[in-house]
Order: sequence, then structure tokens, then C-alpha cells
Amino acid sequence: DTEVTQTPKHLVMGMTNKKSLKCEQHMGHRAMYWYKQKAKKPPELMFVYSYEKLSINESVPSRFSPECPNSSLLNLHLHALQPEDSALYLCASSQHNPSGDTEAFFGQGTRLTVV
Amino acid sequence: GENVEQHPSTLSVQEGDSAVIKCTYSDSASNYFPWYKQELGKRPQLIIDIRSNVGEKKDQRIAVTLNKTAKHFSLHITETQPEDSAVYFCAPNSGYSTLTFGKGTMLLVSP
Repeated sequence: DTEVTQTPKHLVMGMTNKKSLKCEQHMGHRAMYWYKQKAKKPPELMFVYSYEKLSINESVPSRFSPECPNSSLLNLHLHALQPEDSALYLCASSQHNPSGDTEAFFGQGTRLTVV
Repeated sequence: GENVEQHPSTLSVQEGDSAVIKCTYSDSASNYFPWYKQELGKRPQLIIDIRSNVGEKKDQRIAVTLNKTAKHFSLHITETQPEDSAVYFCAPNSGYSTLTFGKGTMLLVSP
């Protein structure tokens, strides 16, 4: 199984809503990531989890709250988002490799629209 | 942090031609150099990668070459086909497995 599964595929939410994005992998990867991708732009790293601990937060606003409840799951909790937060949110996972030379597998993404 | 530059931003070729995309990076500690293909509305998918202990790697019509001294690596696609049309990203690592994506190259292959 080389799949990273994200749900939902599409999400429309109001600026006062609270919602969560979910990501799951069963490849035994111990590093998991959230990326944000705006149209016609490259993916931008948001968060990195290593062994279920947050290791990197790329100065992401607190209205985005990540959570890694276990080694297979990664969530992104959303609250009080702005329309400019509308984007494709990609989850990825990889083996935890101190040398850093390991492939990242991406989920199909959640297309988020904030209205 | 890693500075990544990717050129060209768009590339139009005729079917059967070759395409070359170049990526330069700044972090001399980078040791992993992947190329991702992203079709419209889909996830980025790894098409080829190279590690810093080799200079070239080939997989059928796709190859990647690495020049660590000059800090650049390139994607080569031969005998291009319309289904190669997509956005291609280089994404060298920058410590701790985090990838820094280039701005992308839109490749258009005309029949």
C-alpha cells in the first residue's frame, strides 16, 4: 500500500466555521507533512511531524492547528479562516531518515474554499 | 533556508522532441534531488530522483543529471508525448527531509 489518503476531497466553509482535514497512511512512515498549494504555485510546507511530534511549523497562523494522534493519522484543524486561505491542502509522508534522502508520497489533496 | 530556482517557467515542444528543465539550489548540504510531475487537479507524483552519490540516473525516457559542484540538477525527457504535458517541480531537500519546491515548469507537448 503506497497510498496517502486525504478526506474530504472538497470542502467549502464559512469564515466562522470549524472544520478538520484528515490524512491517513499505512506505509509505516514516521514523518508526515502538511503543504498548502495555491493555484499555479508550488506546494509550500506548513508543518512537519516526526514520530508524532511537531518538529517544524513554518510560521503558520494559529487558525491552522495540526494534530498527529498516531503514527498513521494526521489532522489539520481549521478555525476562523479567511478567503485567502482557499487552496489545495496536501498531506505527504515519508520514512524518517536522518540523512533526508527519502521519497515523499503525497495524498490527492483537499480543495478548500473559504466563503 | 534553501533557495531554489527552476527554469524555464514554460516549455512548449513538439511530440517526439526532447525537453530539459534545470533547477539550481543554494544549500550545499542538500543530498536528495527529486522531480515531481503534477497534472492539473492532481497530486504531485515523483517521477525520478537522484542522490548525491551519483551524477546521473535514467529511467526509460526520463533522466536526471546532478552537478553538486555547481549546485544544479536537470530533468531530461526524450521522445516527448502529449501525456507528458504537466507541471514539473524540482524539490531538493533542505535538511531533515523537508522538500523545497521550485516554482514549476509547465511543459506543453503538442501532437
